[in-house]
Amino acid sequence: VLTQSPGTLSLSPGERATLSCRASESISTRFLAWYQHKRGQAPRLLIYDVSSRATGVPDRFSGGGSGTDFTLTISRLESEDSAVYYCQQYDRATRTFGQGTKVEIK
Amino acid sequence: QVNLVQSGGEVKKPGSSVKVSCMASGGTFNRYAFSWVRQAPGQGLEWVGGIIPVFGTTNFAQKFRGRVTVTADESSRTVYMDLSSLRSEDTAIYYCATGYYSRATYYLEFWGQGSLVTVSS
Repeated sequence: VLTQSPGTLSLSPGERATLSCRASESISTRFLAWYQHKRGQAPRLLIYDVSSRATGVPDRFSGGGSGTDFTLTISRLESEDSAVYYCQQYDRATRTFGQGTKVEIK
Repeated sequence: QVNLVQSGGEVKKPGSSVKVSCMASGGTFNRYAFSWVRQAPGQGLEWVGGIIPVFGTTNFAQKFRGRVTVTADESSRTVYMDLSSLRSEDTAIYYCATGYYSRATYYLEFWGQGSLVTVSS
């Protein structure tokens, strides 16, 4: 099980956002990804293997963590970052997503 | 770069089945693995199941086992998801997604546009 917090984050442009994803069991393989999902669009891969940025993802997005605790950081929020963010483990044959964190830009 | 094009939306009656297709272009088909992910209204993303075409192996989330089948046809580069015994709670956008299969796993790098399945009497 992946548990994300907070449920909603409301911040101003230029601020830093820190999203948390906690796993019920250790993901020692580091097979954890983050996705961005905007309304009306398909989800987009941001981060894979805990900290590797996907192709074309701006460097203001970074991932980190180990074991059971992982984070997605958006260093300088822009209006286009308004979306729901999901973590997902691909360590086990049965994949799971976290419940998502909604990021709102004031 | 892999492009995924899914079949159109469907309206189904409770108790019936739906088959959603996902055609891949670009890349070597058998080097990729595929997943189906859904989003019900007002809910988050939910992994349904997946297939590794080169091995023919499938895996499904516990709640869908016995009700879902995922198949792949290399000749047409198409993956299918068949969901039976539909109920209103299955109303959702169903996404096909894929990633390069390596290290005995894959992450979801490329996504289809989504297919809306509506279950209503």
